[in-house]
Amino acid sequence: EAQVTQNPRYLITVTGKKLTVTCSQNMNHEYMSWYRQDPGLGLRQIYYSMNVEVTDKGDVPEGYKVSRKEKRNFPLILESPSPNQTSLYFCASSGQGAISPLHFGNGTRLTVT
Amino acid sequence: SQKIEQNSEALNIQEGKTATLTCNYTNYSPAYLQWYRQDPGRGPVFLLLIRENEKEKRKERLKVTFDTTLKQSLFHITASQPADSATYLCALETNTGFQKLVFGTGTRLLVSP
Repeated sequence: EAQVTQNPRYLITVTGKKLTVTCSQNMNHEYMSWYRQDPGLGLRQIYYSMNVEVTDKGDVPEGYKVSRKEKRNFPLILESPSPNQTSLYFCASSGQGAISPLHFGNGTRLTVT
Repeated sequence: SQKIEQNSEALNIQEGKTATLTCNYTNYSPAYLQWYRQDPGRGPVFLLLIRENEKEKRKERLKVTFDTTLKQSLFHITASQPADSATYLCALETNTGFQKLVFGTGTRLLVSP
């Protein structure tokens, strides 16, 4: 089954403790992206990657890092999480076409205390 | 400033009626617009895409219109069913890069039996 898999689904951590949220897709998609979703603000893009070893900032990149060493994986790294990064995070991927629809994972709910 | 607006209030309708959701935008000139469905605790799922030169697009009970003069898209679900209850997101292409979408905050649809 074609899918985007994120782990973990839920994560509670403390301020400053480094964490990684994993994302993997099995559709051989070149494009991958991370979003955060907050009430009243909608989905906002954090980082995206056009292909292996190619990443770029989205609209809200501060406090986040990403890497794209393999085509299928696109982990999101929070080096020093803060409470304002408490949010619902989604990974998404799409094919090569400029208007290919996004395929989303089921989300990671992160709480930073 | 650029804005994309969806009605934040939930839309309540009776089963069998047509649901109409609105997406308005200002200061964008999107080449296309997409609609997604999001269920609680799940990632958004792509439904339909409509290009700027298309007035209307249909898929089964779904219909999308795109009026670039009014800067508005309407999303219709005919013969609505309780299973259609979900949040519906519009996303428009910002013309600032590959797959650069800006998402609305979504409208929650509740279909009562």
